[in-house]
Amino acid sequence: RKEVEQDPGPFNVPEGATVAFNCTYSNSASQSFFWYRQDCRKEPKLLMSVYSSGNEDGRFTAQLNRASQYISLLIRDSKLSDSATYLCVVNAIAGGTSYGKLTFGQGTILTVHP
Amino acid sequence: DGGITQSPKYLFRKEGQNVTLSCEQNLNHDAMYWYRQDPGQGLRLIYYSQIVNDFQKGDIAEGYSVSREKKESFPLTVTSAQKNPTAFYLCASKTGGLGEQETQYFGPGTRLLVL
Repeated sequence: RKEVEQDPGPFNVPEGATVAFNCTYSNSASQSFFWYRQDCRKEPKLLMSVYSSGNEDGRFTAQLNRASQYISLLIRDSKLSDSATYLCVVNAIAGGTSYGKLTFGQGTILTVHP
Repeated sequence: DGGITQSPKYLFRKEGQNVTLSCEQNLNHDAMYWYRQDPGQGLRLIYYSQIVNDFQKGDIAEGYSVSREKKESFPLTVTSAQKNPTAFYLCASKTGGLGEQETQYFGPGTRLLVL
């Protein structure tokens, strides 16, 4: 089983749609969770951290379910500019220590069309 | 401007040649990382360094080497022992600590192609 698994998509949605991405992680000791966005042929950029209580940033909402080891990202009112690959990221734990290492999912491709 | 720079943007390697990718940061971050990304795949960790003069192997270190002589710099050498080096190479850095401070910030990347 992969440490971090995402549905690769692609998700093709019209402008204004709501779309949700899911991610599962295998290490129950993981403590930090993030969503990164990566545009074509560019570096990943932090979209948002994911907190246990859930958090929202404008049109973006992230949820964490520790019991199910599941993370989600909801995008409301999709814009053309939201088209990108969304990476689910979890801190890697070994022997109870993270050493600052992160594990990346393979990414979910989103295309928003007019 | 504060940030992470990588050079060159594109690099071509001949068979049997060693090449070095540059990564510099002026964010005063302690930790630095090198990742490799292949098409349709997530990032895989090659090497990381939590402090100057110290570094550890990541998940796919074979065929690569690094040095960390200065806090600002973490160059990666792709040696001739790396048989499939064509990939997008990303350097990242972060401050120490846990939680949000686990956030890593990336440079623009170097695309390495084998001739």
